Amino acid sequence: GQQVMQIPQYQHVQEGEDFTTYCNSSTTLSNIQWYKQRPGGHPVFLIQLVKSGEVKKQKRLTFQFGEAKKNSSLHITATQTTDVGTYFCAPHGSSNTGKLIFGQGTTLQVKP
Amino acid sequence: GAGVSQSPRYKVTKRGQDVALRCDPISGHVSLYWYRQALGQGPEFLTYFNYEAQQDKSGLPNDRFSAERPEGSISTLTIQRTEQRDSAMYRCASSLGGTDLLYGYTFGSGTRLTVV
Repeated sequence: GQQVMQIPQYQHVQEGEDFTTYCNSSTTLSNIQWYKQRPGGHPVFLIQLVKSGEVKKQKRLTFQFGEAKKNSSLHITATQTTDVGTYFCAPHGSSNTGKLIFGQGTTLQVKP
Repeated sequence: GAGVSQSPRYKVTKRGQDVALRCDPISGHVSLYWYRQALGQGPEFLTYFNYEAQQDKSGLPNDRFSAERPEGSISTLTIQRTEQRDSAMYRCASSLGGTDLLYGYTFGSGTRLTVV
């Protein structure tokens, strides 16, 4: 089945610094979703990427899907304390299933 | 309702007892998913439904676990003869879903199961 590796597992940054997390797969992905989970909370949907080379922005967040559709990244510009949490990438298990396979996540800590 | 509702929020049970976890999805959402999440890990897929049909149960750990969604709305995840290793956060999610894979999941707040 589909599996992804997220790096880094943890990241500590000073408020105002940038942050990037990477999601890598050994196989081609049909699409990929990103979720954010605040400490003590539940995963919240951020975005879905479908097309090769796709780039989407949400305010300070930039999401990319690789040309080969085997990797994806989330970049946060000028982090704020509200960005604290764990970010998960989650591709669909295959092109014809609704189930998502979640990565192990990248936990971001932001020092004020 | 406005969101995905799970009950109970917390459940402590003795080893060997059966438990039933309930999920009430967003009204009109076709797809309903069950995941299990250990501390510090990503959600682990258990099973999912489109309407009342169970589409995939490949993530259920063993035959003590079962799930149903008889009327295509509320779902119940049942764990029989609970064991300590079953202790985890059990999360339900729903999506507009169906055959269209373009929708994100909305997760509930989860049920924290502790088997003592």
